Amino acid sequence: DAKTTQPNSMESNEEEPVHLPCNHSTISGTDYIHWYRQLPSQGPEYVIHGLTSNVNNRMASLAIAEDRKSSTLILHRATLRDAAVYYCIRSGAGSYQLTFGKGTKLSVIP
Amino acid sequence: GAGVSQSPSNKVTEKGKDVELRCDPISGHTALYWYRQSLGQGLEFLIYFQGNSAPDKSGLPSDRFSAERTGGSVSTLTIQRTQQEDSAVYLCASSLFGGSLPYEQYFGPGTRLTVT
Repeated sequence: DAKTTQPNSMESNEEEPVHLPCNHSTISGTDYIHWYRQLPSQGPEYVIHGLTSNVNNRMASLAIAEDRKSSTLILHRATLRDAAVYYCIRSGAGSYQLTFGKGTKLSVIP
Repeated sequence: GAGVSQSPSNKVTEKGKDVELRCDPISGHTALYWYRQSLGQGLEFLIYFQGNSAPDKSGLPSDRFSAERTGGSVSTLTIQRTQQEDSAVYLCASSLFGGSLPYEQYFGPGTRLTVT
């Protein structure tokens, strides 16, 4: 069972960058890191994934520590629509299941 | 394009009754997943369909739960003799490919099941 640790909640001001941390100290060399988010009353939505290198896409950036024991999801400019629960997930070799923990509830303050 | 759709969006049923939950995946997606999300909890895997392969039913919590996927498209999750602990949001997801991650899973809006 893949384990990650995230803060229960975070706050950000609108239009400010947000750094959402995730610890995965027992990660193995072939485990990927995925981030999904879930807006209120909606199904989860893919954000980004990575293995070793930092990754960027239109939604966010993912910074992975050199030892891979932690990672940070970066929202460059928070908007009110980014208020959601963000889930950091590890997937091992051969796995197709997404196992979510409780995630980090991000509040965005206007 | 159309995303994953689920019906009904809400279902209230009496304890002991059977319920059927439906999922319409994105057209062309070969893999389909059912998950369950209980209040304030994370996501719990239930079952996985990939093409014509036998489904992975390892996450089904009891033999009261079953699922099928007809014609490689629509899927139905059936819960027999519902119990109060079955109350949760049931989420369906589909993906273009299956097998080992990483790839994006697209989720539907879920069916909120309440067993009274």
